[in-house]
Amino acid sequence: AQSVTQLGSHVSVSEGALVLLRCNYSSSVPPYLFWYVQYPNQGLQLLLKYTTGATLVKGINGFEAEFKKSETSFHLTKPSAHMSDAAEYFCAVSGGSGGSYIPTFGRGTSLIVHP
Amino acid sequence: DTGVSQDPRHKITKRGQNVTFRCDPISEHNRLYWYRQTLGQGPEFLTYFQNEAQLEKSRLLSDRFSAERPKGSFSTLEIQRTEQGDSAMYLCASSLGPGVGSPLHFGNGTRLTVT
Repeated sequence: AQSVTQLGSHVSVSEGALVLLRCNYSSSVPPYLFWYVQYPNQGLQLLLKYTTGATLVKGINGFEAEFKKSETSFHLTKPSAHMSDAAEYFCAVSGGSGGSYIPTFGRGTSLIVHP
Repeated sequence: DTGVSQDPRHKITKRGQNVTFRCDPISEHNRLYWYRQTLGQGPEFLTYFQNEAQLEKSRLLSDRFSAERPKGSFSTLEIQRTEQGDSAMYLCASSLGPGVGSPLHFGNGTRLTVT
């Protein structure tokens, strides 16, 4: 079964600094990959997705992620953090080996932004 | 697109009682998912419907849990004889098939507290 691993349960950055949230997937076949954001007491909202084609994916709120098959990674970045980016971020995978329709989520990374 | 709505937002119940949650997906979406999320964790898959057919259930879904999606529209999730371990956020999501790469659209969840 496919899975994702998010390294670091918490990431702390200063406002204006680079944001890097890590996600690695396990699948022998390139899957579909997603990043979602969750604000307190809300559901998850899609930031960006990788299906096929261009490996650098741009999403909302200035976030982007790069699919690297050789590293089985899909790390999320943003050049300059804003206070409003403080939230929980989840990487998810579907498809890949087994071709499951059911997205599987990582444990999440809490982004803390200091003024 | 009015989004996915869930009702109620919060539910407090005593151990042993039955509870039922409702989810109204985005109207044109044929797929509906239920996930459970506990503090500090990512969403864990419970069950999945395509139209009115329940196609997959997680091993997490004990026989105290039942879900329906009559007529392929709204869905209900019932938990019988609740236990304290059932306390969690229950998230509903919908997506538009076919295909494996469709992103999920989440509701704001129902937070269940079992006392």
